[in-house]
Amino acid sequence: KNQVEQSPQSLIILEGKNCTLQCNYTVSPFSNLRWYKQDTGRGPVSLTIMTFSENTKSNGRYTATLDADTKQSSLHITASQLSDSASYICVVSTFSYGGSQGNLIFGKGTKLSVKP
Amino acid sequence: ETGVTQTPRHLVMGMTNKKSLKCEQHLGHNAMYWYKQSAKKPLELMFVYNFKEQTENNSVPSRFSPECPNSSHLFLHLHTLQPEDSALYLCASSQESSGVVYNEQFFGPGTRLTVL
Repeated sequence: KNQVEQSPQSLIILEGKNCTLQCNYTVSPFSNLRWYKQDTGRGPVSLTIMTFSENTKSNGRYTATLDADTKQSSLHITASQLSDSASYICVVSTFSYGGSQGNLIFGKGTKLSVKP
Repeated sequence: ETGVTQTPRHLVMGMTNKKSLKCEQHLGHNAMYWYKQSAKKPLELMFVYNFKEQTENNSVPSRFSPECPNSSHLFLHLHTLQPEDSALYLCASSQESSGVVYNEQFFGPGTRLTVL
């Protein structure tokens, strides 16, 4: 069964500190992995998209890693800011093949709170 | 207007009401999506329109009825909803190519729906 598990469920850190969010998946056939940031009451915004051959991708203070062998990804946030408070969602997509539609499998997200 | 817009942003309705959610994308994309987001659950893909044709309907109850009159507009018609349908309804769009599905999606801000 295709699944995406994220940990921790929630996290509180102090402003200026670093943190790492985890995403483990059992999805096949793997196409790409995406990290989204969702502010409260808003739609998700894409941070990074990584394909099978990419093992790291950065977007400002956000760095995502991908280990396709262990089927794990992490999102590292450096020098956190109050505006980083949001939910971070990991999404894995599958290829379409043999007449089957590709699929998007969403994690439940990690709720990050950055405190002053 | 830029990106993906949704109206209304908030909606309260009774179980016997009929209402519609509207989504408009200003990105020139050819695919649009409706998602449901409930508390502590992953995003649930409800409907997909690719090149204005509905290509996916994930076992959504018939009290939700989508309409895609053109590639820029998407509606979700609601009637005789239940309290458990209360959620954030998100619209998204993407640019898809033949044989490839679910490229990067751009989300609207969502409609917060409360069913009394």
